[in-house]
Amino acid sequence: DAKTTQPPSMDCAEGRAANLPCNHSTISGNEYVYWYRQIHSQGPQYIIHGLKNNETNEMASLIITEDRKSSTLILPHATLRDTAVYYCIVAGKSTFGDGTTLTVKP
Amino acid sequence: DAGVIQSPRHEVTEMGQEVTLRCKPISGHNSLFWYRQTMMRGLELLIYFNNNVPIDDSGMPEDRFSAKMPNASFSTLKIQPSEPRDSAVYFCASSLALLAGAQETQYFGPGTRLLVL
Repeated sequence: DAKTTQPPSMDCAEGRAANLPCNHSTISGNEYVYWYRQIHSQGPQYIIHGLKNNETNEMASLIITEDRKSSTLILPHATLRDTAVYYCIVAGKSTFGDGTTLTVKP
Repeated sequence: DAGVIQSPRHEVTEMGQEVTLRCKPISGHNSLFWYRQTMMRGLELLIYFNNNVPIDDSGMPEDRFSAKMPNASFSTLKIQPSEPRDSAVYFCASSLALLAGAQETQYFGPGTRLLVL
């Protein structure tokens, strides 16, 4: 299964867009990219997923590069409640890496 | 739907005791996952079931750990005997997978916080 690489931490100002990158250079053609987040001490929460096309839902947008080797999760207007660990995983097996700790600051 | 239900939410036990964690998946879901989370090792997949059958248990740390899914609405993770290094948060998740091994959106429970003294 493809491995993902994410920066360990990022900061974002409240109200600004948070752009979280993920590298998945060994992804296979039929594997989806999934994003979850985990707010302190809670269970991980599904955010969004995609295969090739960009996706948007009420929580976020997902931009996948044409070669599918990387993707970016966009939180368009980050709030303090978006402070969490964000995980990018590739379908096939549920291997969660260390994720990115996003801190939204006032 | 109430979501994935786990019990107990907190468990404190002494080394050597048997610990049983319980999970009720979302109704209609056919895949169930058990994870363990620690500061040192992050979120690790222990085992997952599809249609009540264990598909991959390669993440189960050792023979002291066992998991069962007797029916579609209930699963247990048992540790016998427990050790201090088993202290962690244990999450259960469920999904609706069209094919065994296929990735579908997972819905996580609130977790069981286990402390082994």
